[in-house]
Amino acid sequence: KAGVTQTPRYLIKTRGQQVTLSCSPISGHRSVSWYQQTPGQGLQFLFEYFSETQRNKGNFPGRFSGRQFSNSRSEMNVSTLELGDSALYLCASSLDADSSYNEQFFGPGTRLTVL
Amino acid sequence: KNEVEQSPQNLTAQEGEFITINCSYSVGISALHWLQQHPGGGIVSLFMLSSGKKKHGRLIATINIQEKHSSLHITASHPRDSAVYICAVKGNRDDKIIFGKGTRLHILP
Repeated sequence: KAGVTQTPRYLIKTRGQQVTLSCSPISGHRSVSWYQQTPGQGLQFLFEYFSETQRNKGNFPGRFSGRQFSNSRSEMNVSTLELGDSALYLCASSLDADSSYNEQFFGPGTRLTVL
Repeated sequence: KNEVEQSPQNLTAQEGEFITINCSYSVGISALHWLQQHPGGGIVSLFMLSSGKKKHGRLIATINIQEKHSSLHITASHPRDSAVYICAVKGNRDDKIIFGKGTRLHILP
């Protein structure tokens, strides 16, 4: 079974631009969560989607948004990029809703650099 | 004060030593996760706990809900165990997911 895939793996953007990152979960998994990892803040939860609905959201500004499609693939979008958005963005999938009780499988991440 | 605290922040040990990493949290939780992150960024979920103890190979995780504390133990440590170990909890009131800052473990051959 293929693992969680994320595209692109690396991305360089400039301030003010927007970016869309993609995550394909493991086949059969219906829940997708997104995380941001920076050297200063560590790992932070962005949002969780299940069956095309956002179930949970972290403390990030509205510039960060996401969606999930009927095939469980998910995208996250960051608009009006700031230098501080430079980070590793990780996606994780699990079988069902409520990631508390389901093992999460992480993708390799997308490393975003904002210049 | 962070809601999830890990100790130590950094740990260097010799191959074969018994390793303990601690995680303390201040919120009520529905579950606690231990994650392993290798250089290069890949994260693997090691354990998910809501009570008691779990064992997988040389890894053991325990949780004490009353004391709001969890430990991750590694027996017979090996250089391939070198990684960052991260504790994460999900609050039981707001479903908020909070991560510790991680413990960087380096096992010397």
